[in-house]
Amino acid sequence: EVVLTQSPGTLSLSPGERATLSCRVSHISTTWYLAWYQQKPGQAPRLLIYDASTRAPGIPDRFSGSGSGTDFTLTISRLEPEDFAVYYCQQFDSSPYTFGQGTRLEIK
Amino acid sequence: QITLTESGPTLVKPTQTLTLTCAFSGFSLSTPGVGVGWIRQPPGKALEWLALVYWNDDKRYRPSLKSRLTITKDSSKNQVVLTMSNMDPVDTATYYCAQTKIAAPRFDSWGPGTLVIVSS
Repeated sequence: EVVLTQSPGTLSLSPGERATLSCRVSHISTTWYLAWYQQKPGQAPRLLIYDASTRAPGIPDRFSGSGSGTDFTLTISRLEPEDFAVYYCQQFDSSPYTFGQGTRLEIK
Repeated sequence: QITLTESGPTLVKPTQTLTLTCAFSGFSLSTPGVGVGWIRQPPGKALEWLALVYWNDDKRYRPSLKSRLTITKDSSKNQVVLTMSNMDPVDTATYYCAQTKIAAPRFDSWGPGTLVIVSS
């Protein structure tokens, strides 16, 4: 089973700052089928990034994904108040299609 | 527009079998490449992928739960059903269904989720 380790567990920042979230994969990814989701309280997750770096339709360009191999990053260039949420990475490289444990992005 | 909606009991007793239905619209499970998966989230915890069925009846399961899970599709009714046997309080969670495609491996669209509580 591929294990995804997200860091940090919690990130405290202010609106306007830059956020960098990490997702480390236990096995080298050959397909880069790595997705990022945003989840707000009481809501279903929303797809932000797929194939490691492609923004989903309707996602603002302040969200970007990068990485390859075992290390992937979600960057939010300038935080807006609505960006404070929990973020999950997920791999679709091999079944079971595991998620990371999440990074909580909170207002400082 | 793609929509998915989960339904099922809110409360189940330990050892019972849970049956959840995902009703969807805006796509067909008869279309090559399309799939529907189930994901759960215990209160305050992370997402956990459970199972996935593709248009050709190819099924994938979380290995640690495989003996307890069954996923089936009814393409004519636009539904996917997940059953989980021998329910335990640790299975208390919000259960989501979501759509994917083999050529586009990610969960693009999600249902709102349904909370299942396991308690005697």
